[in-house]
Amino acid sequence: DSGVTQTPKHLITATGQRVTLRCSPRSGDLSVYWYQQSLDQGLQFLIQYYNGEERAKGNILERFSAQQFPDLHSELNLSSLELGDSALYFCASSVGVSKNIQYFGAGTRLSVL
Amino acid sequence: AQSVTQLGSHVSVSEGALVLLRCNYSSSVPPYLFWYVQYPNQGLQLLLKYTSAATLVKGINGFEAEFKKSETSFHLTKPSAHMSDAAEYFCAVSESGANSKLTFGKGITLSVRP
Repeated sequence: DSGVTQTPKHLITATGQRVTLRCSPRSGDLSVYWYQQSLDQGLQFLIQYYNGEERAKGNILERFSAQQFPDLHSELNLSSLELGDSALYFCASSVGVSKNIQYFGAGTRLSVL
Repeated sequence: AQSVTQLGSHVSVSEGALVLLRCNYSSSVPPYLFWYVQYPNQGLQLLLKYTSAATLVKGINGFEAEFKKSETSFHLTKPSAHMSDAAEYFCAVSESGANSKLTFGKGITLSVRP
């Protein structure tokens, strides 16, 4: 168990809908990262937050947004969902901003029908 | 920009045989390098990491990797494969500095034959 908790484990929804994925980092970790794993794109970095502030952005679509709350949990919001958004979404956390090991949650599997 | 190349998508070995999974990286600054393992329906678990200390890095479950700057490689090895090693393995690079996002290779599926 990595100590990173992601909910829900599975999410099935329809095109055009909006969903929220939640991540609770390991106790003491201030950085949260979101990654998307799909068959065609592999594992891709989406966005990083550190202590509530956005720190880095990767290949995140404009329809996607994220935030980190004062209690350090993070949410990834996906809107106007398309079939191609079906993927496994991972959250990872680390103590600091750089040079730290990232610990991954078990992921949320999103299926858009 | 950083990138990782993992040649081949599938490696099959016999139980007890040597495991060799290849990883080559590209980075404009001194890299940090990682190997993660993903078992079916699970998240990513860190096997080992290189962060500019010793070039031969030992990890969990008997795995090790050697950083070779001249070859820009960070290949993963294990002397004797076990059935429980069957999983998907990802090599990842992070650039030293303020941004520690991981860039992953496409992953290699390791099968272990009895």
